[in-house]
Amino acid sequence: EIVLTQSPGTLSLSPGERASLSCRASQGVSTSYLAWFQQRPGQAPRLLIYGASSRATGIPDRFSGSGSGTDFTLTISRLEPEDFAVYYCQQYGSSPITFGQGTRLEIK
Amino acid sequence: QVQLVQSGAEVKKPGASVRVSCKASGYTFTGYYIHWVRQAPGQGLEWMGWINPNSGGTNYAPKFQGWVTVTRDTSISTAYMELSRVTSDDTAVYYCARATVEYSFEIWGQGTVVTVSS
Repeated sequence: EIVLTQSPGTLSLSPGERASLSCRASQGVSTSYLAWFQQRPGQAPRLLIYGASSRATGIPDRFSGSGSGTDFTLTISRLEPEDFAVYYCQQYGSSPITFGQGTRLEIK
Repeated sequence: QVQLVQSGAEVKKPGASVRVSCKASGYTFTGYYIHWVRQAPGQGLEWMGWINPNSGGTNYAPKFQGWVTVTRDTSISTAYMELSRVTSDDTAVYYCARATVEYSFEIWGQGTVVTVSS
């Protein structure tokens, strides 16, 4: 099983700032089958990034993903008020599919 | 539009079984895998398994082998997840999600709250 470790656990920033969220895998993720999800309170997760760096339909271009192998990053270039939420990475290249434990992005 | 609509909240006693449904609309049901994910209160996301609606083939996370069953009824474009012998640890929100190999989990249901309490 591939274990995904996200850091930091909580990130405190202000609107307009840049956010960088890390996701490290215990072994290489197959052909960049790495996704990022945003989850707001009381809502289902929403797909942001798939294939490590491709934005899902309707996702603003302030969200970007990068990385390969075992190290991946989600970057939000300029934080908007609606971006403060919990973010999860997921690997879907090998079974069992696994998620990171999440990074909470909170308003400073 | 493309959507997954799940059944309503459930309250179960320990040892019972619970079944959650996930009705697809706006697309060809047999063309996309359906996955199940759960989230305990205040916790992260946990993948449970998937079904191929076309063939009925399934794959489960090792933790859930033997006590989760995912089925489908193609005539009504609905997938089901049944969890047997539930305990308080199974209290969670259960989500279904449409997935592809390329795009991962692109469409999610609204979630079904399952509460296990004596």
